[in-house]
Amino acid sequence: DGGITQSPKYLFRKEGQNVTLSCEQNLNHDAMYWYRQDPGQGLRLIYYSQIVNDFQKGDIAEGYSVSREKKESFPLTVTSAQKNPTAFYLCASSIQGGSEKLFFGSGTQLSVL
Amino acid sequence: AQSVTQLGSHVSVSEGALVLLRCNYSSSVPPYLFWYVQYPNQGLQLLLKYTTGATLVKGINGFEAEFKKSETSFHLTKPSAHMSDAAEYFCAVSLLNQAGTALIFGKGTTLSVSS
Repeated sequence: DGGITQSPKYLFRKEGQNVTLSCEQNLNHDAMYWYRQDPGQGLRLIYYSQIVNDFQKGDIAEGYSVSREKKESFPLTVTSAQKNPTAFYLCASSIQGGSEKLFFGSGTQLSVL
Repeated sequence: AQSVTQLGSHVSVSEGALVLLRCNYSSSVPPYLFWYVQYPNQGLQLLLKYTTGATLVKGINGFEAEFKKSETSFHLTKPSAHMSDAAEYFCAVSLLNQAGTALIFGKGTTLSVSS
C-alpha cells in the first residue's frame, strides 16, 4: 500500500543532542513538508521541498535542518539550537506544491529528557 | 500573505445536532481552501477542498463547506453530529496556482460530541 511512514513514533532528546526524524513516502510525490504541532497553535511549517536537492524554509525553520537527496525521503534534524523541541512533528507529501491534497504521516512525538 | 483564522478553539454539540465550525481567510489572490480532520495521535486527513467552480463543496463523512468570497469565509457544517465526529479540525489555505507554496493552517477547532 502507498503512504507516508514516519519513524520513530516516540523520540527522546537529551540536552545538546541532535536527533533526526525519518519520513519516507512511496507515493511518487514531488513535494514533501515538515510541520510542527503544538497544543492550541495548529500546524506550523518548518521546511518544505518541491523537488529533489531543493528545499525552502517555512515559518519556524530556526534550529532545524533537512535534506532531500532522494525523492522518497525527507529527514528532519532537530539540532541543539532548537531550545524548545518538545512537539508533535508531522511529515506530509503532495503530488506537487501549492494546490494539491496533502497526505500525512502518523507523526513523531519528540520530548526532551 | 495569506492567513487563516478559526473562530472558537473548542465546539461542543450533542449527538444529532448541527455542527458548524468557522473559518475565515485572508488572501490577496483567489485561494484554494481545505478542511482537514485529525484523530488523536494521528496525522491529518482531507475532508474536502475548494479550488474553483461550485462554491458549495461536499466532503467525506457527510461534511460540507461553502466558499463565500464576500465574507472571506469557508465554514464547515454537518447536519447531524455523530459520536465518531469528535476530533480536531483544521482549516487551511494555499495560493491559487502559485508554485513553491505550502498550505497555511489555522490553529484548529476541537469538536466534542456528547450523547
